[in-house]
Amino acid sequence: EAQVTQNPRYLITVTGKKLTVTCSQNMNHEYMSWYRQDPGLGLRQIYYSMNVEVTDKGDVPEGYKVSRKEKRNFPLILESPSPNQTSLYFCASKSRGAGTGELFFGEGSRLTVL
Amino acid sequence: AQSVSQHNHHVILSEAASLELGCNYSYGGTVNLFWYVQYPGQHLQLLLKYFSGDPLVKGIKGFEAEFIKSKFSFNLRKPSVQWSDTAEYFCAVSPNSGYSTLTFGKGTMLLVSP
Repeated sequence: EAQVTQNPRYLITVTGKKLTVTCSQNMNHEYMSWYRQDPGLGLRQIYYSMNVEVTDKGDVPEGYKVSRKEKRNFPLILESPSPNQTSLYFCASKSRGAGTGELFFGEGSRLTVL
Repeated sequence: AQSVSQHNHHVILSEAASLELGCNYSYGGTVNLFWYVQYPGQHLQLLLKYFSGDPLVKGIKGFEAEFIKSKFSFNLRKPSVQWSDTAEYFCAVSPNSGYSTLTFGKGTMLLVSP
């Protein structure tokens, strides 16, 4: 089954404790992206990757890091989480190139930073 | 860079009422347009998309959208809503060029009362 898998789905952590949210897709998609969803603000892009070893900042990259060492994986790293990073995070992927491809979303990861 | 504006943050309708959700985008070139739906507690799913050709596109569950290039609009419509259409709806735009990324609107929350 084609899917985007995120882990963990739910996480409560404390300020400053590094964490990683994993994302994996099994569709051989070149493009992957991370979004955060906050009430009234919709989805805002954090980082995206056009292919292995190619990453770019989205609209709200501050406080986040990503890596793309393999085509299927695109982890989101919060080196020193802060309460304003409490949010619902979505990973997504699509086939490369023009924006014609449908974006496939993971189930979401709800993060709370105390 | 492209941007998307959704006119209504919240819409409340009774079952069988007609629906129209507004979406306007800002971008100077050719675009691809999408409507995504997020049911309560779930991830985003594609409703419909426009790439080229007939500006009236039909999606799943009886939804349709019309691309009006002169107005930079891509409004979503459904003749008769059901309680199960209660969800948040997101319009998204992507430049029709290689290596492009999607930008989402802030979403419209639709509540359909039985």
